[in-house]
Amino acid sequence: GESVGLHLPTLSVQEGDNSIINCAYSNSASDYFIWYKQESGKGPQFIIDIRSNMDKRQGQRVTVLLNKTVKHLSLQIAATQPGDSAVYFCAETLENAGNMLTFGGGTRLMVKP
Amino acid sequence: DGGITQSPKYLFRKEGQNVTLSCEQNLNHDAMYWYRQDPGQGLRLIYYSQIVNDFQKGDIAEGYSVSREKKESFPLTVTSAQKNPTAFYLCASSAPYRGGKNIQYFGAGTRLSVL
Repeated sequence: GESVGLHLPTLSVQEGDNSIINCAYSNSASDYFIWYKQESGKGPQFIIDIRSNMDKRQGQRVTVLLNKTVKHLSLQIAATQPGDSAVYFCAETLENAGNMLTFGGGTRLMVKP
Repeated sequence: DGGITQSPKYLFRKEGQNVTLSCEQNLNHDAMYWYRQDPGQGLRLIYYSQIVNDFQKGDIAEGYSVSREKKESFPLTVTSAQKNPTAFYLCASSAPYRGGKNIQYFGAGTRLSVL
């Protein structure tokens, strides 16, 4: 497949371990955040979101943590599988910004069998 | 199936040529977007449209043009003025904002290369 980012930060984990992907966002006024997963040669897919009135949200095998004090988001993936290998992007927005998102630079997750 | 369809998957442009990338959605979304993705970088916004017959420049609009004549369609033209067009182009759409969530849904992308 095509590479979407040759020079992205890379996180390498063993299959079955937990993964933590971090994101520093830029605007302290942002109040809604989204994590996307992008597999090689494909478009980004929505994974999970969180509003600023929460500090934690859980999905299936994924958890997003929000620390507004330091403008930091993290995505935790439990029992990482080979199918989790992808580039992960966080995105932020303001409620009064309409539908506009600001994307982070992305992190490549590589899962070792 | 509902979704966003981008075509073609691969496109080659000759020097001085304009090329058009197609984006169609059947999600009944009002807003549509075009992003450019280069290796080692995130997504950069080229153009967006919040409603039919209206569109706005994004961060890197120079050398690109769009139209939004129908709700379902938002084609992007890469003009000869864009001197470095080689990239992966992504189209997205989202429902109109009504105090709800700003989730953008993406197509599978078009990879443009220069011959």
